Amino acid sequence: DGGITQSPKYLFRKEGQNVTLSCEQNLNHDAMYWYRQDPGQGLRLIYYSQIVNDFQKGDIAEGYSVSREKKESFPLTVTSAQKNPTAFYLCASTLTGDNYGYTFGSGTRLTVV
Amino acid sequence: EDQVTQSPEALRLQEGESSSLNCSYTVSGLRGLFWYRQDPGKGPEFLFTLYSAGEEKEKERLKATLTKKESFLHITAPKPEDSATYLCAVQPVNDYKLSFGAGTTVTVRA
Repeated sequence: DGGITQSPKYLFRKEGQNVTLSCEQNLNHDAMYWYRQDPGQGLRLIYYSQIVNDFQKGDIAEGYSVSREKKESFPLTVTSAQKNPTAFYLCASTLTGDNYGYTFGSGTRLTVV
Repeated sequence: EDQVTQSPEALRLQEGESSSLNCSYTVSGLRGLFWYRQDPGKGPEFLFTLYSAGEEKEKERLKATLTKKESFLHITAPKPEDSATYLCAVQPVNDYKLSFGAGTTVTVRA
């Protein structure tokens, strides 16, 4: 079955550590996105990529980095510069022009310990 | 800047008690308005896309409608399994990025 897989489901980060969240899709989608979700707030866009080897900052990119070396993969690194990283992170993908909007992964919950 | 406001923030319903959720939006030309359902600890699941004012879409007990300024998600005779957070998002004509509202959390009691 085609889909989008995020791992791990839960992640704990110590102060000063960088951590990487994985996102893989086998839908042959062009574009991939990373969102952050906090209680009581809408999904906020961190980074997005519409083609391989190219990506753009979203609304809250500070303290995060991404890469898009393969069409299927769009990992997100949460760096030590991100001062409040505890949140639910969602990866999504879409075909340009798709009528179904985004397909989302199941999310990664990151907690700072 | 595109803006999406959903109301109410939370809605508690008795099983069978129909109600509506509101999504107000401002966007510089609408390509599409999307409704998603999100269960706790999971990613959003696609429900509907609406493209133009006057359009309606239905799926089981859910019906989505669209005007030039807002969309409504009507839940008819809800069941406990309809309990979830419902998210609204808009996509402008000049981009494929979605802007999301904060969601409405619906709880249906048996």
